[in-house]
Amino acid sequence: DADVTQTPRNRITKTGKRIMLECSQTKGHDRMYWYRQDPGLGLRLIYYSFDVKDINKGEISDGYSVSRQAQAKFSLSLESAIPNQTALYFCATSDSQGAGVWNEQFFGPGTRLTVL
Amino acid sequence: AQRVTQPEKLLSVFKGAPVELKCNYSYSGSPELFWYVQYSRQRLQLLLRHISRESIKGFTADLNKGETSFHLKKPFAQEEDSAMYYCALKYSGGSNYKLTFGKGTLLTVNP
Repeated sequence: DADVTQTPRNRITKTGKRIMLECSQTKGHDRMYWYRQDPGLGLRLIYYSFDVKDINKGEISDGYSVSRQAQAKFSLSLESAIPNQTALYFCATSDSQGAGVWNEQFFGPGTRLTVL
Repeated sequence: AQRVTQPEKLLSVFKGAPVELKCNYSYSGSPELFWYVQYSRQRLQLLLRHISRESIKGFTADLNKGETSFHLKKPFAQEEDSAMYYCALKYSGGSNYKLTFGKGTLLTVNP
């Protein structure tokens, strides 16, 4: 089945370390997103990409960067991790060419990141 | 600016009781709203969308533009409905849309 996968699924790191979270999809979708989920704050958009050459900041991009290496891959980097970046991170994809006005977002399983 | 408000962080009901998860939005454009659900240890998935006017797993939601609400309802809750529910609003013009999510409501259905 076409899917959205994330690696690693869990990661514990120390303050100041550089961390990369990876997202891959076999759905053939052109649009990819990174969200973080925090208790009581819901999901917040970090970055999004509507195609390989398009990268856009979301509502909470400070401290993060992304790379769209290919249509199927979208990586999120924390250049110098800090404890308040401890969260559950989700990648999502959607297809701009799908039928209808709405193109559903499909989520990966999440990466639980802990910054000590 | 667009905003989605889910006033209840936690909602607890008994099996067989009606359940209503509240969602209010603020958006100057034409709203499109959705409910996403996250069951324990599963990924977030779309539950329903207002434009489809569908019922999924017994849940319905009606967009009320006058009250700027999109409450999720089910007449008889089941234990398997226990999950985190997020209301989401599609915003931005043309085909370059994004979603903004509410903070979520954790629904617990007790036996």
